[in-house]
Amino acid sequence: DAGVTQSPTHLIKTRGQQVTLRCSPKSGHDTVSWYQQALGQGPQFIFQYYEEEERQRGNFPDRFSGHQFPNYSSELNVNALLLGDSALYLCASSLVTGLNTGELFFGEGSRLTVL
Amino acid sequence: RKEVEQDPGPFNVPEGATVAFNCTYSNSASQSFFWYRQDCRKEPKLLMSVYSSGNEDGRFTAQLNRASQYISLLIRDSKLSDSATYLCVVKRNKLSFGAGTTVTVRA
Repeated sequence: DAGVTQSPTHLIKTRGQQVTLRCSPKSGHDTVSWYQQALGQGPQFIFQYYEEEERQRGNFPDRFSGHQFPNYSSELNVNALLLGDSALYLCASSLVTGLNTGELFFGEGSRLTVL
Repeated sequence: RKEVEQDPGPFNVPEGATVAFNCTYSNSASQSFFWYRQDCRKEPKLLMSVYSSGNEDGRFTAQLNRASQYISLLIRDSKLSDSATYLCVVKRNKLSFGAGTTVTVRA
């Protein structure tokens, strides 16, 4: 049973560019959340997708957008990259019915470096 | 004020020792509480939920104090494998993570 998979694992971009990160949730999970984790910090909630719609959003600008596909996989897009966007981007999956348990299954993340 | 605040540590303890640390949260309406563990350069994983009455899972004990708005984690008989960053997580409408407390267990 595959867990949460993310791609790419590492990438380097320059300021102003755009990036797309991808996530496949754990088998059977229908909800995907995206987090940004800067060095030495905890994961910060970006947004959550369920039934192909953004259901909740954290304090991130509109440059951060996402999508969920019918197969529950998801993409995170970041436009007009800034140096401060350099971070580990974590995808987490869960069942919407299980959100109250607090158990998120995280992927290993995509490490983005913006030069 | 941050939603979730933790002492970053590091807590350096010998094997077999007991280590405990707290986390405070700002929103009194928070509903659920958890501890996650994150190993170096790995993804976070759920360690345990925190219940109002306190709960144990093997060598790990979690406590919640709603009046003072803090939760705690105690690790007894520390093992080398307990070395990790422990993330305090609070749920209102979403899960909010603290910055983590680093624990290093030495032989």
